[in-house]
Amino acid sequence: QVQLVQSGAEVKKPGASVKVSCKASGYSFTSYGFNWVRQAPGQGLEWMGWISIYNHNTNYAQKFQGRVTMTKDTSTSTAYMELRSLRSDDTAVYYCARARTIGELDNWGQGTLVTVSS
Amino acid sequence: QSALTQPRSVSGSPGQSVTISCTGTGSDVSGYNYVSWYQQHPGKAPKLMIYDVSKRPSGVPDRFSGSKSGNTASLTISGLQAEDEADYYCCSYAGSYTWVFGGGTKLTVL
Repeated sequence: QVQLVQSGAEVKKPGASVKVSCKASGYSFTSYGFNWVRQAPGQGLEWMGWISIYNHNTNYAQKFQGRVTMTKDTSTSTAYMELRSLRSDDTAVYYCARARTIGELDNWGQGTLVTVSS
Repeated sequence: QSALTQPRSVSGSPGQSVTISCTGTGSDVSGYNYVSWYQQHPGKAPKLMIYDVSKRPSGVPDRFSGSKSGNTASLTISGLQAEDEADYYCCSYAGSYTWVFGGGTKLTVL
């Protein structure tokens, strides 16, 4: 079955960077793109960006442009999301989600808690 | 890109039906037939319940249905059950590989 397994929780200081991984299994990694979504404590879901698995195309939410980079390693079936210049309001659970089609994020990782604190 | 508008909370008794609305604009909800709905229980990852406005993934009960009219999409849950109590989020494609979520609705089963 399809599984997306994310890396473990991180604690970072303001100004630092974090890189979250999302390892896929149970399907052909090169068949679908990924979206990254975050959820601050007690808040709703926020779309961060998308990466195509066919090529290196990405698109980021305007809010994160210049601070986020999404990449992939097809040899290990792993997608990555790096967020730089962390602030306290970046404290959130970060999710990867497979985009089976444009209209559906059909499988989600378990989430990675990133805590930004001095 | 502004978040889609959802009611903060809805409630219903077991066996009843509830509808959750999701209002966007011509740049998202009414511009594309790519509205999806996600259920999230506390501490869990979101789960896809409806995609492409009204399609149900395999394994999702047919008590869940979706529709759209103009700028507003809706999720209807009929025959409410205790396990339906969760947060629900709508999401719409907004063109050029961008997506936007709603603020979320807390469903309480009385």
